[in-house]
Order: sequence, then C-alpha cells, then structure tokens
Amino acid sequence: EAQVTQNPRYLITVTGKKLTVTCSQNMNHEYMSWYRQDPGLGLRQIYYSMNVEVTDKGDVPEGYKVSRKEKRNFPLILESPSPNQTSLYFCASSNKGITEAFFGQGTRLTVV
Amino acid sequence: LAKTTQPISMDSYEGQEVNITCSHNNIATNDYITWYQQFPSQGPRFIIQGYKTKVTNEVASLFIPADRKSSTLSLPRVSLSDTAVYYCLVGTNAGKSTFGDGTTLTVKP
Repeated sequence: EAQVTQNPRYLITVTGKKLTVTCSQNMNHEYMSWYRQDPGLGLRQIYYSMNVEVTDKGDVPEGYKVSRKEKRNFPLILESPSPNQTSLYFCASSNKGITEAFFGQGTRLTVV
Repeated sequence: LAKTTQPISMDSYEGQEVNITCSHNNIATNDYITWYQQFPSQGPRFIIQGYKTKVTNEVASLFIPADRKSSTLSLPRVSLSDTAVYYCLVGTNAGKSTFGDGTTLTVKP
C-alpha cells in the first residue's frame, strides 16, 4: 500500500529538548515536504526536498532542520523546541512537487 | 507564489452540486491550480489539478476561465462525507507551495 508514515503520531516534550519526527514514503517519490498546521493559519510549508541531498526553505523554516540522505526518508529536526512550535505537523511526498502529493497522518507536537 | 482567496465557509445539502470558487489574480504563466480536501486531524488529500479550461475526474470537476484569474471546484451530488476543508493552491511543481486558508464545506442531511 502506498503511504507516507510519520512517527510519532503524538509527542509531548519540554522546551529545549532536541527531537526528531521521522517521515518515510514507500513510493520512490523524489519530492518530500514538511508543513505545520495551526488553528486559523492553514498549512504552512517548513522545508522541502526535490531529491536526495537537495533541500530548501519553505515559508516558516526558523527553528527547524531537515536532511535527505535517502530518497525514502525526510526527518524533521527540532534542535531546541519552544512552545511556539506546538503544532500539527504533516509530511508529504510526490513525484510532481505539490501536485498529487500524498500526505502522512500527522504528528501532534506539544512543547511545554 | 500567487495568493489565493476562497470563501471561508459554505453550507450545502446532501445530493446538491457544490461549487467552490478560488480567486488567484496574480497567477503566473507556468502555474497550475490544484485542489486538496482535508478532514479533521488528517493530512490533505489530492482532488484535482488543472491548467486551463475544464478538467474532470471521478470525484470532481475543475473549471478555469480563459484569463485563469479564478477557478471553480465542482463537487457533484455531495454527501455528508464530503464535509471537509477544501484548499486551492496555485504554483508550479518546483517545490515551494502555499496553502490558503481553505473553505470549510458543511453538508447537511
């Protein structure tokens, strides 16, 4: 089954404690992207990757890092999480940028 | 990236056709128009994409006038399960993407 898998689905952490949210796709897609979704603000793009070792900033990259060492994985790293990064995070992948992208089920992150 | 404007919310009844219009006055020549559907606490799901004129698939139609400054997503005979948020995106396949605020569609029995 074609899917984008995010882990964990839910996470509560404390300010400043480094964390990684993993994203993996099994469709051999070249494009992957991370979004955050906050009430009243829709989906905002954090980072995207057009292929292995190629990453670029979206609209809200501050406080986040990503890496794309393998085609199937695109982890999101928060080196020093802060409460304003409390949000619902989605990973997406496709072979055509945002066209026909598959999204993961989301990771609900709470930073206290 | 072109900014999009959609109605914040719409109501409909089961069995009706629903048309959601998106305004994108600054659309560029290379931009495509893409629509996604999102249910609460789930990731968005691709519905349809077009460049000009009309595109139809098994779930929706997309109407794009000649000037491409707007587009209309048409959902035929909606059901309660079509209650969701619908997003219009405008851009190329180059990677960067901006979702608008979306339209919350509520289908009533």
